[in-house]
Amino acid sequence: GDSVTQMEGPVTLSEEAFLTINCTYTATGYPSLFWYVQYPGEGLQLLLKATKADDKGSNKGFEATYRKETTSFHLEKGSVQVSDSAVYFCAPINSGAGSYQLTFGKGTKLSVIP
Amino acid sequence: DTGVSQDPRHKITKRGQNVTFRCDPISEHNRLYWYRQTLGQGPEFLTYFQNEAQLEKSRLLSDRFSAERPKGSFSTLEIQRTEQGDSAMYLCASSRVLADNEQFFGPGTRLTVL
Repeated sequence: GDSVTQMEGPVTLSEEAFLTINCTYTATGYPSLFWYVQYPGEGLQLLLKATKADDKGSNKGFEATYRKETTSFHLEKGSVQVSDSAVYFCAPINSGAGSYQLTFGKGTKLSVIP
Repeated sequence: DTGVSQDPRHKITKRGQNVTFRCDPISEHNRLYWYRQTLGQGPEFLTYFQNEAQLEKSRLLSDRFSAERPKGSFSTLEIQRTEQGDSAMYLCASSRVLADNEQFFGPGTRLTVL
């Protein structure tokens, strides 16, 4: 079945530092790819998505590019803020294979310190 | 606020009791999903509905678990004869067909089995 490998956390960065959270996946066909974020005490929120190879998803200063050749969807942000402290989940969905379930990674906890 | 609501938000029960959770999706969404999330892990897919039809079930969904969506609107998830291993956050999500599979999550129901 489909699977996701995410960079293990926790990750601690100083404010304005550059962020990369690695995500690689295994899936048959061409899944759509998502990053979700879970802020402390809140529910899961969709952060960004990409639906085909070479697409770049972006939102709130975060970006991720769908790399089919390396089956990766790494999350980046040029300058993190304290308010970005959260748990980040990478998740493909393989609707082309007839499945509509998101397959989540274990999550990467990010803490940003002033 | 994603618009998906879940009730109750917290449930404490004794081992062996039955529990039922409710999910109300975003009104125009015809797909509804249930996931389970344990501490420090990403959500795991349980089942999904398109309208009132249950189209996909995970192997995680033992015969003690049953989900319904009788009129294609709200859904219920029942767990019979609860076990301590059922303690988790139960998440509901909804989406529209042909919307890049974007799933919007509710706040979850936290179940504690004593």
